Amino acid sequence: KNEVEQSPQNLTAQEGEFITINCSYSVGISALHWLQQHPGGGIVSLFMLSSGKKKHGRLIATINIQEKHSSLHITASHPRDSAVYICAVRSPYSGGGADGLTFGKGTHLIIQP
Amino acid sequence: DTEVTQTPKHLVMGMTNKKSLKCEQHMGHRAMYWYKQKAKKPPELMFVYSYEKLSINESVPSRFSPECPNSSLLNLHLHALQPEDSALYLCASRPPTGEKLFFGSGTQLSVL
Repeated sequence: KNEVEQSPQNLTAQEGEFITINCSYSVGISALHWLQQHPGGGIVSLFMLSSGKKKHGRLIATINIQEKHSSLHITASHPRDSAVYICAVRSPYSGGGADGLTFGKGTHLIIQP
Repeated sequence: DTEVTQTPKHLVMGMTNKKSLKCEQHMGHRAMYWYKQKAKKPPELMFVYSYEKLSINESVPSRFSPECPNSSLLNLHLHALQPEDSALYLCASRPPTGEKLFFGSGTQLSVL
């Protein structure tokens, strides 16, 4: 079974700070997702990565396949970025539910004004 | 339309009630999912529908009954639930090609 570890579990920062959230997984994957969940529930898919780096606005996601590690960066953080950020991996090699997704436990981010 | 719409947003029900959750998408996605999420936990997969057929049931109790009447609509029928079933129920869909999941905003369910 693919184990997905996220760090930190909780992060509080000041507006404008550069934020990094990390995700490590234990076995090879076909794709890694970064998801954002606001209080109240809805989940938004931010990125899907299989290699390299992607950028969308102030968000940057990178993945190192050899090291089995991905990072999500937020530049010029803003209070509206406060949310839970979830890493999920799709692996053809092990469990992760019927659709092959194994979720991390999430990182609870609070950006203070 | 790039949304997955779930109704109701909130639901309170007694243990003897029968209720249904609804999920709708008009993006032409042919895979639809029900997830259950307890507070401060990641989502747990309950059911997967692929081309309107139930392809996976992750050993969910029979008091949860999914239905997929057509390619745009997914229901979750609830009957004789227990207080421990209180959770956020999320619907998601995925296009025929591609990895990205589209989630609804969820139904927050409380069972009294």
